[in-house]
Amino acid sequence: EAQVTQNPRYLITVTGKKLTVTCSQNMNHEYMSWYRQDPGLGLRQIYYSMNVEVTDKGDVPEGYKVSRKEKRNFPLILESPSPNQTSLYFCASSLGANTGELFFGEGSRLTVL
Amino acid sequence: SQQGEEDPQALSIQEGENATMNCSYKTSINNLQWYRQNSGRGLVHLILIRSNEREKHSGRLRVTLDTSKKSSSLLITASRAADTASYFCATAHAGGTSYGKLTFGQGTILTVHP
Repeated sequence: EAQVTQNPRYLITVTGKKLTVTCSQNMNHEYMSWYRQDPGLGLRQIYYSMNVEVTDKGDVPEGYKVSRKEKRNFPLILESPSPNQTSLYFCASSLGANTGELFFGEGSRLTVL
Repeated sequence: SQQGEEDPQALSIQEGENATMNCSYKTSINNLQWYRQNSGRGLVHLILIRSNEREKHSGRLRVTLDTSKKSSSLLITASRAADTASYFCATAHAGGTSYGKLTFGQGTILTVHP
């Protein structure tokens, strides 16, 4: 089944404790992206990747890192999480940038205390 | 204001009525897409309309695009209670340093009453 898988789905952590949210897709998609969703602000793009080893900042990249060492994986790294990074995070992928529909994961709800 | 802003923010209708949501954007686009999100779940792609298209249909969905006004509308005909969800438009930037960015609006919350 074609899917985007995120882990963990739920996480409560404390300020400053590094964490990684994994994202994996099984559709051989070139394009992958991370979004955060906050009430009243919609979805905002954090980082995106056009292909392996190619990543670019989205609209709200501060406090986040990403890597794209393999085509299928695009982890989101919070080196030193802060409470303002409490949010619902979505990973998504598509065949190519601007070429069609995004497939979304089910989301990762992160709380930073 | 942000690229891809939806209007209205919330819409409440009765089953069987039509629902119209609008989206405005600011910069040149390659395409505009509409997504649906059930509460707290991942977004699901509904329809994509390219910048050289004016109208597109998919089942009970009809999307129009007016690039001169930088706006799009999504019409859901004969709505059902199961259509209750948030609907987002997303714009794929046309090029330059923004190529690859897909910007979402804040969404319209649609409630369809049985």
